[in-house]
Amino acid sequence: KNQVEQSPQSLIILEGKNCTLQCNYTVSPFSNLRWYKQDTGRGPVSLTIMTFSENTKSNGRYTATLDADTKQSSLHITASQLSDSASYICVVTGQNAGKSTFGDGTTLTVKP
Amino acid sequence: DAGVIQSPRHEVTEMGQEVTLRCKPISGHDYLFWYRQTMMRGLELLIYFNNNVPIDDSGMPEDRFSAKMPNASFSTLKIQPSEPRDSAVYFCASSGKSYNEQFFGPGTRLTVL
Repeated sequence: KNQVEQSPQSLIILEGKNCTLQCNYTVSPFSNLRWYKQDTGRGPVSLTIMTFSENTKSNGRYTATLDADTKQSSLHITASQLSDSASYICVVTGQNAGKSTFGDGTTLTVKP
Repeated sequence: DAGVIQSPRHEVTEMGQEVTLRCKPISGHDYLFWYRQTMMRGLELLIYFNNNVPIDDSGMPEDRFSAKMPNASFSTLKIQPSEPRDSAVYFCASSGKSYNEQFFGPGTRLTVL
């Protein structure tokens, strides 16, 4: 069964600190991996999209990495801000277009 | 563009009633997706369309759920009859030529009493 597992389930950090969220997947064959940010009460917003040939992708203070060999991805947040408090969801799409597997998300809380 | 538009934003209904959720995708987008999100199951893909044609409806939980896309600018998700376990937030998303980057609407929070 294709799975996407995220860790940690929740994380609390102080404003200004860095953090890294993890995503391990077993989806195969693999097409792309996306990270979404979902604020409470809102729909998910795409942060990064990576294909199997890409190792890293940045979007401002967000940097995603991908190791297709070990089937692992991470999302690094630099100099966290209070507005980074949200749920971060890893989504892996197989080569069957549109067939995506969602992780359960990591809930990040940034405290002042 | 206003983004993906969903209506209603909130819906409270009684068990057994018919519920219709509506979605207007971003103009020019070829793909439309319906998702359901709950605390227990997270985000689940229900069905998606390409150029108004349903491509994969394997995520639709049962026959009580149906989705249509009569034209490129409108889609509906219908639940008939509704049950309390259908209570969730339902998201619509659309994407352009590439299905990769999906833009989500604000969601419809459905409560079935």
